Amino acid sequence: EVQLLDSGGGFIQPGGSLRLSCAASGFTFSSYAMAWVRQAPGKTLEWVSTISAGGGTTYYADSVKGRFTISRDNSKNTLYLQMSSLRGEDTATYYCAKYHGNTWDLFDYWGQGTLVTVSS
Amino acid sequence: EIVMTQSPATLSVSPGERATLSCRASQSISSNLAWYQQRPGQAPRLLIYGASTRATGVPARFSGSGSGTEFSLTISSLQSEDFAVYYCQQYSNWPPYTFGQGTKLEIK
Repeated sequence: EVQLLDSGGGFIQPGGSLRLSCAASGFTFSSYAMAWVRQAPGKTLEWVSTISAGGGTTYYADSVKGRFTISRDNSKNTLYLQMSSLRGEDTATYYCAKYHGNTWDLFDYWGQGTLVTVSS
Repeated sequence: EIVMTQSPATLSVSPGERATLSCRASQSISSNLAWYQQRPGQAPRLLIYGASTRATGVPARFSGSGSGTEFSLTISSLQSEDFAVYYCQQYSNWPPYTFGQGTKLEIK
């Protein structure tokens, strides 16, 4: 059974940094691209970042480019999102998501989410 | 960036009845569209991809149709567990992947 366990969220002041983690199990983690998707309270879903299966290729939404860094450790089956220079508009539940197949298209499994609150 | 527009924002339907949700893309996305269901306090769940293919384990009462810019999700006979928020997502032209603003399906 595929499982994605998000962690690392919390309350942080504007300008601060936080690292999110996503522990994966139930599939060959190193064979799949992964992504982070966030959802502000009461809002729709917003794609944040994508990383290739090997970790060598990454993409970012314009809203986080230069502030967030996606990475992965395939030996630990873990995905990360390093967030810095956090702003109030980054407040959201962050979900890690597994791509459906070898093509980078849609997300077939999601973590339970971890809430990040940015406020002074 | 492709903008996805869902309608209506809220749909009130009685259990056992049929519900049809709409999603429109700002430009053609062929059949590169997915539908997700999100129940309160839960993560999204993949329902439909390729505009019309049901994901593993999704009941047959869920069906998707459309191509180009106009898409729909139909639930043939609503069960209590179907009342949730539904999102469409395009994966034709990225980055960024974009989602619709959601349709809340509520009990009438």
